[in-house]
Amino acid sequence: AQSVAQPEDQVNVAEGNPLTVKCTYSVSGNPYLFWYVQYPNRGLQFLLKYITGDNLVKGSYGFEAEFNKSQTSFHLKKPSALVSDSALYFCAVLNTGGFKTIFGAGTRLFVKA
Amino acid sequence: SQTIHQWPATLVQPVGSPLSLECTVEGTSNPNLYWYRQAAGRGLQLLFYSVGIGQISSEVPQNLSASRPQDRQFILSSKKLLLSDSGFYLCAGTGSSYNSPLHFGNGTRLTVT
Repeated sequence: AQSVAQPEDQVNVAEGNPLTVKCTYSVSGNPYLFWYVQYPNRGLQFLLKYITGDNLVKGSYGFEAEFNKSQTSFHLKKPSALVSDSALYFCAVLNTGGFKTIFGAGTRLFVKA
Repeated sequence: SQTIHQWPATLVQPVGSPLSLECTVEGTSNPNLYWYRQAAGRGLQLLFYSVGIGQISSEVPQNLSASRPQDRQFILSSKKLLLSDSGFYLCAGTGSSYNSPLHFGNGTRLTVT
């Protein structure tokens, strides 16, 4: 069965510093991986996805993610954090040929000014 | 692009009352549609998904049900609400490709009293 793990409940970073939000996955076959962001009392918004190709994926709002097949990881990164990046971040996986997207538990990012 | 409409935004219902949450899709034909529940602002639990009119797959046995009477309409229902049904309910849909990102509505916060 497919699964996603986000080992950190919360990540704290100072504005202007780089940020990393961690994600590992388990899936049979080739994974389709996604990052989403959620602001309070709103639905999730898509940030970026990895389907195939380059291991470094660039997405919205300056975010990027690095796919590492050997470590089964898909960590979200940003070179310089903004206070407005503070939100709840979800990693998700869709297995090849499947219809179900499974989400991690979420990581709350706090960016301090 | 795809837009997911959900209503109402908030709902307070007594235990034992019925429930009907509606979700409609704009901008895509024949989308895969999903109902998720989010508890306490954290992880998302997949409740139901549908790949076509009248086709419903249930992920979690409970007193909720779903229906898809039209291509772009997805309804979540209950005959008798339980306290444990409280949560944030999110409708989501895919684009034209099954591995395209999910688009989410803004959710319905349900409080069962």
